[in-house]
Amino acid sequence: KAGVTQTPRYLIKTRGQQVTLSCSPISGHRSVSWYQQTPGQGLQFLFEYFSETQRNKGNFPGRFSGRQFSNSRSEMNVSTLELGDSALYLCASRPGGNTEAFFGQGTRLTVV
Amino acid sequence: ILNVEQSPQSLHVQEGDSTNFTCSFPSSNFYALHWYRWETAKSPEALFVMTLNGDEKKKGRISATLNTKEGYSYLYIKGSQPEDSATYLCAFTPPTDKLIFGTGTRLQVFP
Repeated sequence: KAGVTQTPRYLIKTRGQQVTLSCSPISGHRSVSWYQQTPGQGLQFLFEYFSETQRNKGNFPGRFSGRQFSNSRSEMNVSTLELGDSALYLCASRPGGNTEAFFGQGTRLTVV
Repeated sequence: ILNVEQSPQSLHVQEGDSTNFTCSFPSSNFYALHWYRWETAKSPEALFVMTLNGDEKKKGRISATLNTKEGYSYLYIKGSQPEDSATYLCAFTPPTDKLIFGTGTRLQVFP
């Protein structure tokens, strides 16, 4: 069974640009969540999608958005990039409620 | 704001030592408590998902307990090995079912 796949693995962008990250969950998993990790911080929750609907949202500005497609694949978009957006972005998929999360390997975003 | 705290932040032990970490979380609106292990250059992997007060789970040399009334969980590693070196994360889940992570405990086991 294929794991959670995130693309790209590494990305360098310039301030002010926008970026789209992709996450393909494990087959059959309907929930996809996104997290940001910066040095010294834990995994900060961005948002969660379940069956194409945003079910939960973290405390991030509106520049961070996401969506989920009918095949459960999810994308995360960050517009008007700032230096502070440099981080490891992880996505995780779950089959449903109250189950363990399966994480992808992450996308390392560097904003210069 | 839902706060999940883990202690200690980091721990250095010798091979063979037993160790434990703490995760503190809000005692109200509890739904589940997760533990994950995150090794360098890998993805976080689930260790346990615990839902009931008094739950005890075990996987090999690693075990965890849960006290939902007072809002804490302990993770124990018996006879630590170098391959146990990792960051251990706990995550609290309220009824909205989103995972709220602590900042983790970084464990280093020296041979």
